Amino acid sequence: EDKVVQSPLSLVVHEGDTVTLNCSYEVTNFRSLLWYKQEKKAPTFLFMLTSSGIEKKSGRLSSILDKKELFSILNITATQTGDSAIYLCAVESSGNTGKLIFGQGTTLQVKP
Amino acid sequence: SQTIHQWPATLVQPVGSPLSLECTVEGTSNPNLYWYRQAAGRGLQLLFYSVGIGQISSEVPQNLSASRPQDRQFILSSKKLLLSDSGFYLCAWRVWTGDTEAFFGQGTRLTVV
Repeated sequence: EDKVVQSPLSLVVHEGDTVTLNCSYEVTNFRSLLWYKQEKKAPTFLFMLTSSGIEKKSGRLSSILDKKELFSILNITATQTGDSAIYLCAVESSGNTGKLIFGQGTTLQVKP
Repeated sequence: SQTIHQWPATLVQPVGSPLSLECTVEGTSNPNLYWYRQAAGRGLQLLFYSVGIGQISSEVPQNLSASRPQDRQFILSSKKLLLSDSGFYLCAWRVWTGDTEAFFGQGTRLTVV
């Protein structure tokens, strides 16, 4: 059975701190791994990773995938209160369904 | 551009009442469609997905059903709601090739009382 595990489940930091969120997975015929940010309602897309070792970066956020060890990390540097959200990791296995299996999420709270 | 509409935004229903949540997608054809449920502060659990009209796959046994009567319409239903059906329901769509991200609706917060 496909499985995605995120850690930590929750995290409280202060503005300016750097955080690392973890996502490990077990999936048959891995195709891609996606990160989302959810503040109140609809999750918003951050990154899609398909190849090992290639860092994807957007502003203060970056992510990398290790297909050998079956995990990904999401880094946020110089955190701001606006980074407070649930961060969701999802994986997709090959096939035509396109379905994403999500982890439990990491709730990040950034204090001023 | 593509958009996804999901309604209602909030719903309070008594136990034993029926349910119908609707989701429609605009600006694309033949999307893959998904219903997810999210418990408070937690991850998303895939309930149903559809790769075409009338094609529904269920991921977990439950009190709910789904239907896809038109290419860009996805409906989540129940004949009799249970307290355990309370939660945040999200509809999503994705290009059928799966090479891009999934796009989510704004969600429906369902409270069964």
